[in-house]
Amino acid sequence: AQSVAQPEDQVNVAEGNPLTVKCTYSVSGNPYLFWYVQYPNRGLQFLLKYITGDNLVKGSYGFEAEFNKSQTSFHLKKPSALVSDSALYFCAVRDWVDKLIFGTGTRLQVFP
Amino acid sequence: DAGVIQSPRHEVTEMGQEVTLRCKPISGHDYLFWYRQTMMRGLELLIYFNNNVPIDDSGMPEDRFSAKMPNASFSTLKIQPSEPRDSAVYFCASRTSGSRDEQFFGPGTRLTVL
Repeated sequence: AQSVAQPEDQVNVAEGNPLTVKCTYSVSGNPYLFWYVQYPNRGLQFLLKYITGDNLVKGSYGFEAEFNKSQTSFHLKKPSALVSDSALYFCAVRDWVDKLIFGTGTRLQVFP
Repeated sequence: DAGVIQSPRHEVTEMGQEVTLRCKPISGHDYLFWYRQTMMRGLELLIYFNNNVPIDDSGMPEDRFSAKMPNASFSTLKIQPSEPRDSAVYFCASRTSGSRDEQFFGPGTRLTVL
């Protein structure tokens, strides 16, 4: 079965510093991977996806993610964090049919 | 585009009462998903529809939960009778069949069962 794991419940980073939110995956076949963000009292919003092609995927709000097949990882990154990036981040993988399987989420806290 | 619309945004009810949550997907989207989010269990897919037909309801926790999609622009999730452990935020999401990747989420309904 397809699954993703987010090993960190929370990540703290100072504004202006680079941030990384970790995700590892377990799939049969080619992985289709995603990152979503949830701001307080809001639904999830799509950030970016990896289907095929370049291992570095660029998405919304200056975020990017690096696909690493050998490490089965898909970490979310941003070169310079903003306080407004503070939110809950979900990694997801598409299953065989139509469903997205979400990770448990990582809360990102960016301090001024 | 108004996005996915959910109502009510907040619902407080007493144990044993019937609760109905409503969702209007984005026009033209033919997939609709119902999720439940709790601190303990994270984000769970309850059921999803394609062209108004339920495709997979394996995530529905028990018979107290039911979902319908009578037409392309409306879906309901009903809990009867409700229990305190049903307290959660319930999200509806939709997407097109042409875009298997990006789901558009509504703002959610925060349900509290006392």
